[in-house]
Amino acid sequence: SQQGEEDPQALSIQEGENATMNCSYKTSINNLQWYRQNSGRGLVHLILIRSNEREKHSGRLRVTLDTSKKSSSLLITASRAADTASYFCATEKDSSYKLIFGSGTRLLVRP
Amino acid sequence: DGGITQSPKYLFRKEGQNVTLSCEQNLNHDAMYWYRQDPGQGLRLIYYSQIVNDFQKGDIAEGYSVSREKKESFPLTVTSAQKNPTAFYLCASSSGLGYNEQFFGPGTRLTVL
Repeated sequence: SQQGEEDPQALSIQEGENATMNCSYKTSINNLQWYRQNSGRGLVHLILIRSNEREKHSGRLRVTLDTSKKSSSLLITASRAADTASYFCATEKDSSYKLIFGSGTRLLVRP
Repeated sequence: DGGITQSPKYLFRKEGQNVTLSCEQNLNHDAMYWYRQDPGQGLRLIYYSQIVNDFQKGDIAEGYSVSREKKESFPLTVTSAQKNPTAFYLCASSSGLGYNEQFFGPGTRLTVL
């Protein structure tokens, strides 16, 4: 079952612009994570935000979490062509070790 | 150089054959996972293992089997009972301690001919 749903499904922006992706989920969570996947490759972990956190930064990435709305957003500032990839949110519901992934947002950054 | 490896990168199988996908990690992680990804889709959990000699079914375990005889290895067998096995298969591992960041291998693309 897909717990998280990303929005939009696809996003095309110009280099230098900011990119915002959203994730909604259905049940209470322990933490929410964002991953990046280049075409045909494995996923790379970007950032983890715990259920008691509201915002987290890592370099050009900013993640917010609103547990009352069961939603999260990933902001990539000053995008680069190399940021072109698919981005997935994943939720860990409890301490079961299991992550449930959304269907992803495909980001295209045009040079 | 620590990491997680999968082999082969590409695999072709005839209908009715079982195939085994390899996954090895040298990160000393307790937990390992297998996911299936279809084109344009997210990841779906097939099996996971929290510790050696123990594993649990994920959301789509039918037609698949696993073993966890060693900490560093978690092979996945795609059996002939899996009706639509053509997909991209990803293996991951995590320390199993605290919050569960997962590290992924490069994936195996399986095509049934």
